[in-house]
Amino acid sequence: DQQVKQNSPSLSVQEGRISILNCDYTNSMFDYFLWYKKYPAEGPTFLISISSIKDKNEDGRFTVFLNKSAKHLSLHIVPSQPGDSAVYFCAASAESNYQLIWGAGTKLIIKP
Amino acid sequence: KAGVTQTPRYLIKTRGQQVTLSCSPISGHRSVSWYQQTPGQGLQFLFEYFSETQRNKGNFPGRFSGRQFSNSRSEMNVSTLELGDSALYLCASRIYSGSVYEQYFGPGTRLTVT
Repeated sequence: DQQVKQNSPSLSVQEGRISILNCDYTNSMFDYFLWYKKYPAEGPTFLISISSIKDKNEDGRFTVFLNKSAKHLSLHIVPSQPGDSAVYFCAASAESNYQLIWGAGTKLIIKP
Repeated sequence: KAGVTQTPRYLIKTRGQQVTLSCSPISGHRSVSWYQQTPGQGLQFLFEYFSETQRNKGNFPGRFSGRQFSNSRSEMNVSTLELGDSALYLCASRIYSGSVYEQYFGPGTRLTVT
């Protein structure tokens, strides 16, 4: 049973446009959410996070939105750049044990 | 500050063999977690060690085990390898357990079981 789902295995976006990556979760106990970015042959690197007490967190070109009632979060990248081409993972945790539960990842391809 | 290092980077083993993977966390980090990544499955949590004690464990069979040394370095062992164990094994460190803040990942060990 996948508690964190990223339903789009891949996404192709034109350079300069907005990239929107989506993530859904089923466990209502999750209260902290993170996005990681992974290049080939490298480990994932932390990108941005959001606590369940917020509905939006912004860091430069990256914004994460959280809709608790829909159990949905999204990562917006504006504007998209070629270096953003990578696999993006969504992860969630509950305060009870801080174990991260990961989605399967979405491969983002930025077209020039 | 040096990042998380994992050795070896690539490994080919035969079914039935055992394997040991090594992880050196960032200096000062006392928590080390291990993950298995397979295509389409995301990262599956194996276990976390903090101060030489296993703090959390994922849903993997007992063939998967680990340990942490006093210098925070960690090893993961898989016995009686199966074809399905072929995956990228990632190690991540953070300053202490009990927090989700910023796990730092190593580059991974690519294990192929033939």
